[in-house]
Amino acid sequence: NAGVTQTPKFRILKIGQSMTLQCTQDMNHNYMYWYRQDPGMGLKLIYYSVGAGITDKGEVPNGYNVSRSTTEDFPLRLELAAPSQTSVYFCASSYSIRASADTQYFGPGTRLTVL
Amino acid sequence: AQSVTQPDIHITVSEGASLELRCNYSYGATPYLFWYVQSPGQGLQLLLKYFSGDTLVQGIKGFEAEFKRSQSSFNLRKPSVHWSDAAEYFCAVGDDKIIFGKGTRLHILP
Repeated sequence: NAGVTQTPKFRILKIGQSMTLQCTQDMNHNYMYWYRQDPGMGLKLIYYSVGAGITDKGEVPNGYNVSRSTTEDFPLRLELAAPSQTSVYFCASSYSIRASADTQYFGPGTRLTVL
Repeated sequence: AQSVTQPDIHITVSEGASLELRCNYSYGATPYLFWYVQSPGQGLQLLLKYFSGDTLVQGIKGFEAEFKRSQSSFNLRKPSVHWSDAAEYFCAVGDDKIIFGKGTRLHILP
């Protein structure tokens, strides 16, 4: 099993450009998450999904969109990139949404810089 | 409001020395508590978690943590650190939504 994979690993965008961060998991997990990690700030939840076709906002959803057409994939879309979106983005998945019942498995991250 | 505080941004210890990383939390109900480790360039990996029962929790890589309700703390310990333990450590609280602390970066002196 590859676990949670993310592409690309690095990306530089210009202000106003758009891009999609890809996330795929092969563990048949229903629950998937997108976090951003800023230096000294820990992780903040952007969006999460409880299954194909169902998504919900996390703590910092502004400027992002997500979709979940399949169990395996959970892409994160930036429509108009802004310097404030410079961050490291982590995708995670779990069998249960309750951390008491299951661990979240994290991908290796995508480092995004917006100039 | 739920929150997690890791008071130490950086900690430096010598290889072979003991380690304690501090974590304080604020949570309205019975807390579910976690410690994650992030090695350079990697995602987060769960070290251990506490839900109920024995307040001393054993995790992977020789780590343990002790839940102290009276102090709202969940400190992470290791009796003897190895150079490979150099990483960033995150304390977290929650269940369906996990709140992460800001992290403590551990440096190991040879």
